[in-house]
Amino acid sequence: DAGVTQSPTHLIKTRGQQVTLRCSPKSGHDTVSWYQQALGQGPQFIFQYYEEEERQRGNFPDRFSGHQFPNYSSELNVNALLLGDSALYLCASSTRDGRNTEAFFGQGTRLTVV
Amino acid sequence: AQSVTQLDSQVPVFEEAPVELRCNYSSSVSVYLFWYVQYPNQGLQLLLKYLSGSTLVESINGFEAEFNKSQTSFHLRKPSVHISDTAEYFCAVRAPDTGRRALTFGSGTRLQVQP
Repeated sequence: DAGVTQSPTHLIKTRGQQVTLRCSPKSGHDTVSWYQQALGQGPQFIFQYYEEEERQRGNFPDRFSGHQFPNYSSELNVNALLLGDSALYLCASSTRDGRNTEAFFGQGTRLTVV
Repeated sequence: AQSVTQLDSQVPVFEEAPVELRCNYSSSVSVYLFWYVQYPNQGLQLLLKYLSGSTLVESINGFEAEFNKSQTSFHLRKPSVHISDTAEYFCAVRAPDTGRRALTFGSGTRLQVQP
């Protein structure tokens, strides 16, 4: 059983550019959450998707947007990149109906903005 | 809203010594509590969780954590650490409501096990 998979693993972008990160949830999971983990910090919640809609959002600007597809996979888009967007971006999947109580995390995408 | 405080950013310890990683939380509602471990250049792995019932929960690799409601704490302990336990440990909370599954994390504690 494949767990949560994220792509790419590493990415280097220039300030002002746009980036798209991808996530495939664990088999049987329908909910995807995205987190940003800056160096030396704990993960910060960005937003959560299920049934192809954003359901909850953390304290992140509109430059951060996302999408969920019918197969439950998800994308995180960041526009107008800033140096401060450099971080490890983690995707977590879970089930919304309470069958599972914990979130499973992917290995993350390391984004470096130069 | 919830918040999590991990009181120690780094904990150095010698191999085979006991260790305690401290976690305190704040919440206006009941919460589920989690400990995650992160090895270098990897994602987060669930170590153990408290949902309800017995306040002492254990992991398969010798860690245990005790939920203390009066002190709003969920400290992680291991009686004898190994070199392989060197990692970053994160305490996290979330509301039990299945519609609100966002985790709130602490800032992490780096456990450094020395030979």
